[in-house]
Amino acid sequence: GNSVTQMEGPVTLSEEAFLTINCTYTATGYPSLFWYVQYPGEGLQLLLKATKADDKGSNKGFEATYRKETTSFHLEKGSVQVSDSAVYFCALSDDAGGTSYGKLTFGQGTILTVHP
Amino acid sequence: GAVVSQHPSRVICKSGTSVKIECRSLDFQATTMFWYRQFPKQSLMLMATSNEGSKATYEQGVEKDKFLINHASLTLSTLTVTSAHPEDSSFYICSASEVGGTSYNEQFFGPGTRLTVL
Repeated sequence: GNSVTQMEGPVTLSEEAFLTINCTYTATGYPSLFWYVQYPGEGLQLLLKATKADDKGSNKGFEATYRKETTSFHLEKGSVQVSDSAVYFCALSDDAGGTSYGKLTFGQGTILTVHP
Repeated sequence: GAVVSQHPSRVICKSGTSVKIECRSLDFQATTMFWYRQFPKQSLMLMATSNEGSKATYEQGVEKDKFLINHASLTLSTLTVTSAHPEDSSFYICSASEVGGTSYNEQFFGPGTRLTVL
């Protein structure tokens, strides 16, 4: 079956530091890949997505590239801010076309704390 | 943007009682709603998928008679935990997919409900 493995947290960084959160997956076929973010007290929000190999998703300074050869979708940001403190979830959907209408398989989540 | 609410945000109940959790799409119509369960420091586990007006589809290992799901309208789904026991204590999260929206059927998530069974 499908599975997603995320880098264990928590991750603590100073403001303006570089961020990497690793994510690898196991899936049959050609899944779509997602990063979701959950701010304190709020629901999960889609941060970015990629639907095929070598696609790069980007949003709010975050980027992740769909690497089929290494089955990875690592999240990166060049300079984090205090407001980026949240829980980040990597996820995959085995629906074609990048929709998340179908089932999502989540990683365990990584808590990020950014200090001023 | 699309907003999903859940009520209550926290509930504490005695063992053996039933608890109902509501999931509402506030500004869009949702053909499909999903219910997830999250244990501490673990990922979200899909429990069931519900389509408006039809029976929910449960994931393997999820007891249908224990976790009753109703999706009676395009804006409301409910999860009822029947005869709750301490092992049912968890964080329950719902999500909803928009009908014919421009978000390519993206799932929008509620803030979750913390259930504690004493």
